[in-house]
Amino acid sequence: EAQVTQNPRYLITVTGKKLTVTCSQNMNHEYMSWYRQDPGLGLRQIYYSMNVEVTDKGDVPEGYKVSRKEKRNFPLILESPSPNQTSLYFCASSLKGDNQPQHFGDGTRLSIL
Amino acid sequence: AQSVAQPEDQVNVAEGNPLTVKCTYSVSGNPYLFWYVQYPNRGLQFLLKYITGDNLVKGSYGFEAEFNKSQTSFHLKKPSALVSDSALYFCAVRDSGNTPLVFGKGTRLSVIA
Repeated sequence: EAQVTQNPRYLITVTGKKLTVTCSQNMNHEYMSWYRQDPGLGLRQIYYSMNVEVTDKGDVPEGYKVSRKEKRNFPLILESPSPNQTSLYFCASSLKGDNQPQHFGDGTRLSIL
Repeated sequence: AQSVAQPEDQVNVAEGNPLTVKCTYSVSGNPYLFWYVQYPNRGLQFLLKYITGDNLVKGSYGFEAEFNKSQTSFHLKKPSALVSDSALYFCAVRDSGNTPLVFGKGTRLSVIA
């Protein structure tokens, strides 16, 4: 089954404790992206990657890191999480091209205390 | 830079009645327009897209959308709403040339039996 898989689905942690949210897709997609969803703000892009070893900042990259060492994986790293990073996070992937729809994972709800 | 607006936070409609969820956009070039739906505790699911060609686009679950270039709108429609259509709907736009996909803030649709 074609899918984007995020782990964990839920995480409660404390300020300053490094965490990684994994994202994996099995569709051989070139493009991958991370978004955060906050009430009243919709989805905002954090980082995206056009292909292996190519990553770029989105609208809200501060406090986040990403890497794209393999085509299928695109982990999101919070080196020193803070409470304002409490949010619902989505990973998405698509084929290359402006007209390609994105496929989304089921989300990761992070709470930073 | 591209932008998208969904002017209604909430739309309520009776089951069996037609529904419309509004979206307007702004791009500098030719727009690529998308509608996604989000059910509780799930990621976004692709409904339909406009690239070029016919102004009326048909998508999944009986939804369609009308592209209007002069009004820069891309409203989502369905002739007869179902209770199961109740969800959060997002409009998204991408300008040509590998630009990021920008999402609206979402419109919550409630279909009442």
